[in-house]
Amino acid sequence: TQLLEQSPQFLSIQEGENLTVYCNSSSVFSSLQWYRQEPGEGPVLLVTVVTGGEVKKLKRLTFQFGDARKDSSLHITAAQPGDTGLYLCAGAETGGGADGLTFGKGTHLIIQP
Amino acid sequence: DAGITQSPRHKVTETGTPVTLRCHQTENHRYMYWYRQDPGHGLRLIHYSYGVKDTDKGEVSDGYSVSRSKTEDFLLTLESATSSQTSVYFCAISGARRGNEQFFGPGTRLTVL
Repeated sequence: TQLLEQSPQFLSIQEGENLTVYCNSSSVFSSLQWYRQEPGEGPVLLVTVVTGGEVKKLKRLTFQFGDARKDSSLHITAAQPGDTGLYLCAGAETGGGADGLTFGKGTHLIIQP
Repeated sequence: DAGITQSPRHKVTETGTPVTLRCHQTENHRYMYWYRQDPGHGLRLIHYSYGVKDTDKGEVSDGYSVSRSKTEDFLLTLESATSSQTSVYFCAISGARRGNEQFFGPGTRLTVL
C-alpha cells in the first residue's frame, strides 16, 4: 500500500505571509493531485502534476512535483483569509484511470486577517 | 462543477439495518469511486467501478458492496450497518484524462447509532 505523508497537519498564519505544504512518499506515483476542501463539501481539484520536476502556478499558488515523482509541494504566496481550508494531496499509482487515489491526511490551513 | 449528485445528503440509521447510498453523474465518465473520510485517516477508497457491471475492491471494502447497472449511477450498500461505518462518504468520477483527475460529489454524512 502506498502512503502519502503530509506536513504540517495544522498551520495558522497571518494574512500576507507565505507558506509551504509538503506531501512525501517512499513510492513513485504516476501523477499527483492537490485538492482543497471546505467544511461540509467535497474536495475540489486544484491541480494535477504528472511529470517529474513539473511546476504549475495557479494565481498565488505554486505546485511542484519532485524529480523522482515521490513528493510534491504547495507554496502559497501572500496568503489571504480566503485560502483557509483543508488541503489534500493525492497520488495515482497508474495513469490509466482505473485505480483510486491514495490520499494524504491533509493540512488544515487557517489564514487570520 | 462536474455533474455529480449524492443522495441522501444526511442519514441516521440504527446498527444492523441495511443502507444504500446513491451517486449519480451526468458527465458520462467511465470511472466511479466511493471513498469514506474519517478524522485521522483522511480519504480512503472503498470500491470503484471501471464500467457498467465492472467493479473492484479498494482499501476498506469489508462490510460494503457496490453495484453499477448504468453508466450514470453507482450504488454503495452497507448490508448491515455498524457504528464503525459512521463516516462521510464521497463519490468521485473520472474520465481518465491527464493523471487520473477525479471530481468529487458533495458527500453523504451517515450516522449509525
